[in-house]
Amino acid sequence: DTEVTQTPKHLVMGMTNKKSLKCEQHMGHRAMYWYKQKAKKPPELMFVYSYEKLSINESVPSRFSPECPNSSLLNLHLHALQPEDSALYLCASSQERGLFTDTQYFGPGTRLTVL
Amino acid sequence: KQEVTQIPAALSVPEGENLVLNCSFTDSAIYNLQWFRQDPGKGLTSLLLIQSSQREQTSGRLNASLDKSSGRSTLYIAASQPGDSATYLCAVSGGYQKVTFGIGTKLQVIP
Repeated sequence: DTEVTQTPKHLVMGMTNKKSLKCEQHMGHRAMYWYKQKAKKPPELMFVYSYEKLSINESVPSRFSPECPNSSLLNLHLHALQPEDSALYLCASSQERGLFTDTQYFGPGTRLTVL
Repeated sequence: KQEVTQIPAALSVPEGENLVLNCSFTDSAIYNLQWFRQDPGKGLTSLLLIQSSQREQTSGRLNASLDKSSGRSTLYIAASQPGDSATYLCAVSGGYQKVTFGIGTKLQVIP
């Protein structure tokens, strides 16, 4: 099983809402990533978890709050977002014998629209 | 700061043609380079990963090469098919920026 799943596929939220994105993998990978991708742009790294601990935070605003409850699950909690946060949010995982040394497997993404 | 450039930005070829996509990067201190394809509105699918110590990797009709000293990688697609139509991105890992993606080459294979 080389699948990374993400839910929901689409999300529309207001600027005062609180919502969460979910990512799951059952490949035994120990590193999980969140990326943000705007239209016609490459993905931008947001967070990296390694062995369930936050390893990298790419200066992401605090209205995005990641959480890794266990080695298979990664959440991204959203609160007080801005319209410019509308994007495709991608989750990825890798075996991670060292950061970014292994193939990354991506989920299908969550298309987020902030009104 | 690592910068990754992909040329051409878009490419249209007839079915059956062999083609080459290019990726260049400015900082040669990399761990690896990975090629992905992305279908519209979808996630990324890993195609090939080349470690910095390797020169090339092959998978089926795909062959990727890496010349770290010159900061270049190419993705060769043999006997292209309409199903190959997608955006192809390269991503470079290593250094302070951890991972940097190119903006991609949008490929259309015409039946």
